[in-house]
Amino acid sequence: SAVISQKPSRDICQRGTSLTIQCQVDSQVTMMFWYRQQPGQSLTLIATANQGSEATYESGFVIDKFPISRPNLTFSTLTVSNMSPEDSSIYLCSVEGLPGELFFGEGSRLTVL
Amino acid sequence: LAKTTQPISMDSYEGQEVNITCSHNNIATNDYITWYQQFPSQGPRFIIQGYKTKVTNEVASLFIPADRKSSTLSLPRVSLSDTAVYYCLVGDFMNTGFQKLVFGTGTRLLVSP
Repeated sequence: SAVISQKPSRDICQRGTSLTIQCQVDSQVTMMFWYRQQPGQSLTLIATANQGSEATYESGFVIDKFPISRPNLTFSTLTVSNMSPEDSSIYLCSVEGLPGELFFGEGSRLTVL
Repeated sequence: LAKTTQPISMDSYEGQEVNITCSHNNIATNDYITWYQQFPSQGPRFIIQGYKTKVTNEVASLFIPADRKSSTLSLPRVSLSDTAVYYCLVGDFMNTGFQKLVFGTGTRLLVSP
């Protein structure tokens, strides 16, 4: 298993600002995944982040809006840029375990006013 | 990735057995079936995975018929703490390296006293 820590756990932000979410894993992992979960909805994959390369974004998500860093094998950040109320969501970091198994952090609950 | 269909919600009482069925009519030969559980304010947690027939662990059982077009997650003697959203996912997790997990709508289980 993997233990994933995310910071901040929650935040309230003003429209137009940016927030960076940090994800720390207790072991080295090749791939890290960022998901978004809007209120009452399922999870949507934002991007896949490999160490040493550009993140791969899913349809509907762009690097300018959600820049991702992956400086080493245990850490990643997701920035939500120029926020609007529609960005109010829970953002979840996850890493791969056995095939088909993902470990998730507790999530970062973001509210944009 | 095979599309999955689950009931949106289910209600149960403490001590009952709960069976949540997932339909995946276009499941491919190499696809496995995986279930996740998500408690409020937490990231999803891997419960169980199987390919055919029956798989059992300390949390649940997974029943998969011969045609594999559906699967049933069985939770024995549920308690209030089993109130959560349960997601069924299908994919070729074993043979193609990591495959990004796509979460469907899930089934919201409410267990009452």
